[in-house]
Parts: sequence; C-alpha cells; structure tokens
Amino acid sequence: GAGVSQSPRYKVAKRGQDVALRCDPISGHVSLFWYQQALGQGPEFLTYFQNEAQLDKSGLPSDRFFAERPEGSVSTLKIQRTQQEDSAVYLCASSARRGVTEAFFGQGTRLTVV
Amino acid sequence: GQQVMQIPQYQHVQEGEDFTTYCNSSTTLSNIQWYKQRPGGHPVFLIQLVKSGEVKKQKRLTFQFGEAKKNSSLHITATQTTDVGTYFCADDSGTYKYIFGTGTRLKVLA
Repeated sequence: GAGVSQSPRYKVAKRGQDVALRCDPISGHVSLFWYQQALGQGPEFLTYFQNEAQLDKSGLPSDRFFAERPEGSVSTLKIQRTQQEDSAVYLCASSARRGVTEAFFGQGTRLTVV
Repeated sequence: GQQVMQIPQYQHVQEGEDFTTYCNSSTTLSNIQWYKQRPGGHPVFLIQLVKSGEVKKQKRLTFQFGEAKKNSSLHITATQTTDVGTYFCADDSGTYKYIFGTGTRLKVLA
C-alpha cells in the first residue's frame, strides 16, 4: 500500500478483555516499530522488529503485552486482560532499512479501556 | 535513562511571527529526527540531523544540531496556520530505538 495501515482505528475494550491491533507496514520495509502515545505525550517505544525477528521488546510495559511479525510483514500487537492504564494511541511505524533512517507512521489505533 | 526535553511545552503565535522549539538531552544526542504531528494525526518525518553543528533548511523551517550534540532546535520563519501541530524531536540513542521528546504544541492565531 501507499503507507502504513493500522486497524482498527478505534477500539473500546472492557477491562479484562484481550485485544489485537494490526499493522500493515509499507511493502518491503525491513524495520517495524510499535509505540504507545498517551494523550498529550510523545510516543514511547514498545518494541522493534527487523524482518520477522523481534530484536527489542524492552519497552513493553508488562507480560500482558505481546507482539509478533511472523512473516516479516504484517505485525500484531496483542494486549491481554486490558486495564484502564492501557488506554492510549498505539502507533506502528516502518522504515526501509536497518539503522538510522526515516520512519513512516500509521494513523494509530486509539484504545479505550472502560 | 536518557531524557529528551523540549521547551516550550506550548506556544501561541500570531500568524507571521517566528517560532522556535528547543530539544535538550541529559546525554549526548546521537542522531536527531524531527517530526510534526497535526491534531488527531500521526507523526510525520520532517528531517534528520547527524553531524555536530549541522544546519538544514526546508523552506521556512531551519533545523540545527548543537556543536556538543546535546541540543537541537527547529525554527519556523513567518508562521502560517498550516504550521499548527506538535513538533517532536527524537534521538536514536545510538540504536534503532528512538526516544521522543516531550513535544512543543504550536498554535497559530490568524
């Protein structure tokens, strides 16, 4: 596609429910990032993939958060047993190469846990 | 860990006035990127600075990397209403893991 696509755009989950957020990066992009952005704050790093390998998951807040990119393209961020503090916009970004390069962000998924 | 602070947090300017946001780090910056995020939108890449003292220009925007690589700035000349949004700097801390600054929210009054 022309850009990074995320779905759903909006998700309302009841506390305790599991959610899955999808990211379709730009075709051929090697690097994929997930960020969490709370209202009025800057994006905070969650995890990084280089192709299918998850090289860094140090930003995941707890073991309820899990991300995968099994074929090196589409990625899914899963949150189990959602809690109110998980409410945020989850941004996915991809870049063409490894290392320092321009990142293209998707529109994000706004998750609200009630 | 590394903290990247931006000042000011908010800035309201009259259309046509200049605007500057500053990005400061507690540690030496590695490679700085600047992003713009419109209200309700997603971050959009503006530019990347790599070298100490580097200055880059994009039309009315001037980006600068400090000589000591501990700060960076974005200056907009003669702001327009289309400049409204939040401007973030981000440092890759020597890895792929970009640490975003706190952001400066710009409002331009017509």
